[in-house]
Amino acid sequence: QVQLAESGGGLVKPGGSLRLSCAASGFIFSDYYMSWIRQAPGKGLEWVSYIGGHGITIYYGDSVKGRFIISRDNAKNSLYLQMNSLRAEDTAVYYCARRGMGQHHDYWGPGTLVTVSS
Amino acid sequence: QSALTQPASVSGSPGQSITISCTGSSSDIGTYDYVSWYQQHPGKAPKLMIYDVSNRPSGLSNRFSGSKSGNTASLTISGLQAEDEADYYCSSFTISSIMVFGGGTKLTVL
Repeated sequence: QVQLAESGGGLVKPGGSLRLSCAASGFIFSDYYMSWIRQAPGKGLEWVSYIGGHGITIYYGDSVKGRFIISRDNAKNSLYLQMNSLRAEDTAVYYCARRGMGQHHDYWGPGTLVTVSS
Repeated sequence: QSALTQPASVSGSPGQSITISCTGSSSDIGTYDYVSWYQQHPGKAPKLMIYDVSNRPSGLSNRFSGSKSGNTASLTISGLQAEDEADYYCSSFTISSIMVFGGGTKLTVL
């Protein structure tokens, strides 16, 4: 069965960096686009970024463009999000999600909490 | 990118039907049939309920249905049950090749 598990969240100071990972299993990882989606405490979902199956197609949301970098290692069935120049407003639960054969997200990980605070 | 517009809350009694709207623009919902809906219970990850406007994932109850007219998509839940109480989010692909979510709707089953 499809499983996604995020890791790497934690407390970081404003201006700092953090790298999130997502371990995938149960499907052919390289066949699928993958996304990062976040949810600030008590707020709605915000799409952050997605990456194509072979890492060539990459898009970012305006709020993270130029600060975050998405990448993947298909040999390790892993997705990453390098987050730089972190701000208080980046505080959120970050979800890794598989994009189905279309423009929807059919499987989600449980999420990892990132807190940006001094 | 602007978020899609959803009502903040809707409510209904067990057995009734409710509809949640999701309004976008010609840059997203109006151009693509790539609207999806997600259910989220407190403290849990979102769950896909509807994709490509009106398709249900395998095994999902047919009490959930989706539709679209112009720039507005809708999620209808019929035969409301207590376990349907949750937050619901719509999402769409856009002409900028990015994705956008609605602000979310809290469904209360009275």
